[in-house]
Amino acid sequence: DIQMTQSPSTLSASVGDRVTITCRASQSISSWLAWYQQKPGKAPKVLIYKASSLQSGVPSRFSGSGSGTEFTLTISSLQPDDFATYYCQQYNSDSTFGQGTKVEIK
Amino acid sequence: EVQLLESGGDLVQPGGSLRLSCAASGFTFSISAMSWVRQAPGKGLEWVSSISGSGISIFYADSVKGRFTISRDNSRDTLWLQMNSLRAEDTAVYYCAKDSQVGGYNMHWGQGTLVTVSS
Repeated sequence: DIQMTQSPSTLSASVGDRVTITCRASQSISSWLAWYQQKPGKAPKVLIYKASSLQSGVPSRFSGSGSGTEFTLTISSLQPDDFATYYCQQYNSDSTFGQGTKVEIK
Repeated sequence: EVQLLESGGDLVQPGGSLRLSCAASGFTFSISAMSWVRQAPGKGLEWVSSISGSGISIFYADSVKGRFTISRDNSRDTLWLQMNSLRAEDTAVYYCAKDSQVGGYNMHWGQGTLVTVSS
């Protein structure tokens, strides 16, 4: 099974900050990686697919990069609506999610 | 607009069974791969099972293999998850999701239904 490890688990940031979240796969997953945003009591929402493709309707301040085993999600300028938990997901072999990164207000 | 509406969540005793339903609308269900993803209280997301549009290709997480069965009825635009031999660790919100393709990412999600396994 492919394991996904996100870092950090929690991130404190201010509005306007540039934020980067890292996701590492236990083996190569090519570019078969997605990023999701989840707010309390709500279903997840896809932001990025195939490592760097922006899902339709998602603001351009979100971007993804990486391939193989190391990936990043970047929010170029954190907005109040972005305080949430973020998950990576590999879909190269079945599906596995990372443990999540909570972005909190500093 | 894609809509996914889960139902069937309930309180059930360990060893019991439950069937979850997901009513789909706003897209061509019969050609869409679908998945179930769950989230235990206060925990992260866990993929449970996926099924192709035709229902021929089916996949399960090791944690539910042999206990859960995914199925669909394309004439009724409905997805199901039959859950047997339930355990306390199956307690979670269960989400139905429309996938980008077979083995793809989860493009659209329902609001979830809560399953609680407890005596």
